Amino acid sequence: DTGVSQNPRHKITKRGQNVTFRCDPISEHNRLYWYRQTLGQGPEFLTYFQNEAQLEKSRLLSDRFSAERPKGSFSTLEIQRTEQGDSAMYLCASSATSAFSYEQYFGPGTRLTVT
Amino acid sequence: QQQVKQSPQSLIVQKGGISIINCAYENTAFDYFPWYQQFPGKGPALLIAIRPDVSEKKEGRFTISFNKSAKQFSLHIMDSQPGDSATYFCAASFSGNTPLVFGKGTRLSVIA
Repeated sequence: DTGVSQNPRHKITKRGQNVTFRCDPISEHNRLYWYRQTLGQGPEFLTYFQNEAQLEKSRLLSDRFSAERPKGSFSTLEIQRTEQGDSAMYLCASSATSAFSYEQYFGPGTRLTVT
Repeated sequence: QQQVKQSPQSLIVQKGGISIINCAYENTAFDYFPWYQQFPGKGPALLIAIRPDVSEKKEGRFTISFNKSAKQFSLHIMDSQPGDSATYFCAASFSGNTPLVFGKGTRLSVIA
């Protein structure tokens, strides 16, 4: 399978705990994006990387959120001191940097439930 | 601030009919407009996309119509099938390979 993979697929945690999600992009893609999707809404941008450099962070990304892509391959998204409002689907997408190819391909997502 | 407005919120179409979903954008700097299909519990899957230098793009049963002056674009699904029942999202981005701004989605139900 050469698509975007995400782990875990589901995570249930108690309020105040820390959680970490992993995304493995399509191997030749150098851009990696994190989005958050709540029920009945479209995905909302959180942050993105080109190789290991974090290019932009959304205002949605509070100080409790941190993302990294240490070797320009997989990425992790950590949420510290989780709150019930963090419950959502966290989506990862990847794309190639090309003047001719703009497509972003999404993984299956990690569904987070904070109790 | 809703940069991409999508309508309708939900749509019911008879099998074999045409499904039409519309989106309007505000920022004229957007230059890449994809449509995604999402099934429950799955990530969005890219269906078809268009750049503003063309007014229409067709791939199989899916067609995007683009009106640059009106800042609108739409998805047409011809010969709609029950398997097309899903949520559809329009999106837009600047100069490609930048974060996508999504509409709120349209839940399509195709009934036999």
